[in-house]
Amino acid sequence: IQMTQSPSSLSASVGDRVTITCRASQTISSYLNWYQQKPGKAPKLLIYAASNLQSGVPSRFSGSGSGTDFTLTISSLQPEDFATYYCQQSYITPQTFGQGTKLEIK
Amino acid sequence: QVHLQESGPGLVKPSQTLSLTCTVSGVSITSGGYYWSWIRQHPGKGLEWIAYIYYSGSTYYNSSLKSRVVISVDTSKNQFSLKLTSVTAADTAVYYCASGNGYNFLYWGQGTLVTVSS
Repeated sequence: IQMTQSPSSLSASVGDRVTITCRASQTISSYLNWYQQKPGKAPKLLIYAASNLQSGVPSRFSGSGSGTDFTLTISSLQPEDFATYYCQQSYITPQTFGQGTKLEIK
Repeated sequence: QVHLQESGPGLVKPSQTLSLTCTVSGVSITSGGYYWSWIRQHPGKGLEWIAYIYYSGSTYYNSSLKSRVVISVDTSKNQFSLKLTSVTAADTAVYYCASGNGYNFLYWGQGTLVTVSS
């Protein structure tokens, strides 16, 4: 299953509301996760099963969608949110990731 | 708290075998509910799932690498390992070990860069 994220990169300011989209090449129900990766670090699980906030993740992060179209929303960007975000489907093996969305400071 | 740590050579020659080990702490590798995975990231690129293994020995491989990959578990050392044969420069990447419930990857090692070069 191919996962396509948009945009590939995004410039935004602290306090902005940001939405990243992930589209699957076929239906994946709600088997969709979101990760945040900072340079030189391992990815961190933010959202699992499309809309469930992983423990310890700030509530400004939220996820929605099902089927083929999903979104990750950050309600009010904080300085520590500037990173690359990946979606990942776990509906079918091999589990596949999107190409990433790099969120940069405007 | 589950902690994962990769170890292995940082440099491998073309056509040779890449071997990495992930040491698990904080939980027994035989605990049910955890799938033990390898994921790689080519320099400046996205993430590619390679394989995972369940403590029972059940294995799942990415078909794109299946002919060259073996994942195994050593319960006595609380470790799991990756072997990738016949490597080329295209296998140069940061290799992560990771774990989760089979549907997501909650725990990650710090990653280890493996360069394939003569």
